[in-house]
Amino acid sequence: DVKVTQSSRYLVKRTGEKVFLECVQDMDHENMFWYRQDPGLGLRLIYFSYDVKMKEKGDIPEGYSVSREKKERFSLILESASTNQTSMYLCASSETSGSSYEQYFGPGTRLTVT
Amino acid sequence: AQSVSQHNHHVILSEAASLELGCNYSYGGTVNLFWYVQYPGQHLQLLLKYFSGDPLVKGIKGFEAEFIKSKFSFNLRKPSVQWSDTAEYFCAVRVVNRDDKIIFGKGTRLHILP
Repeated sequence: DVKVTQSSRYLVKRTGEKVFLECVQDMDHENMFWYRQDPGLGLRLIYFSYDVKMKEKGDIPEGYSVSREKKERFSLILESASTNQTSMYLCASSETSGSSYEQYFGPGTRLTVT
Repeated sequence: AQSVSQHNHHVILSEAASLELGCNYSYGGTVNLFWYVQYPGQHLQLLLKYFSGDPLVKGIKGFEAEFIKSKFSFNLRKPSVQWSDTAEYFCAVRVVNRDDKIIFGKGTRLHILP
């Protein structure tokens, strides 16, 4: 079974703090993604990476950055957390070829910024 | 811009009722189509997918979806729902030969009354 793990299920941070969310996948997938999930807005793509050290902006990259130094690990960084970044953050991974582009999701990190 | 529309934000049904959740997308080229489900407190997981061939796709737990190219639709159906189908359902689209991103709809929250 593909496994995508996220470093924390729940996180509470203060406004202005630097926040790191970590994601690890164990299936040697090339692609990794970070989304935020908000009620009524569905999943919105923040950043994705299709290879080590490669990244592309998604639909809502402002206020976020990412790092992918190893194939299995993709980090999301909130440089200076703000209250409007309170959300559920989902990491996903997928293969880049073959018949399946199915994304496998982690359990999510619920971040509260106070 | 490419988009995915789910017509119902919140659906309430009684057990044994039939279900149809609507999904339309806006891109005219070749697409891959997905339905994902998120049960309460669980990971987002794949319900079914369409890549090519028979436009009627069967997934897990008795769900099916029909791809109608002329209508840009991929509606999800189940003839008789169960209380355990209570979840949030997301339709998603990948544009073939563009990149490996998947665009998600805003989700439909399904509540089944016992």
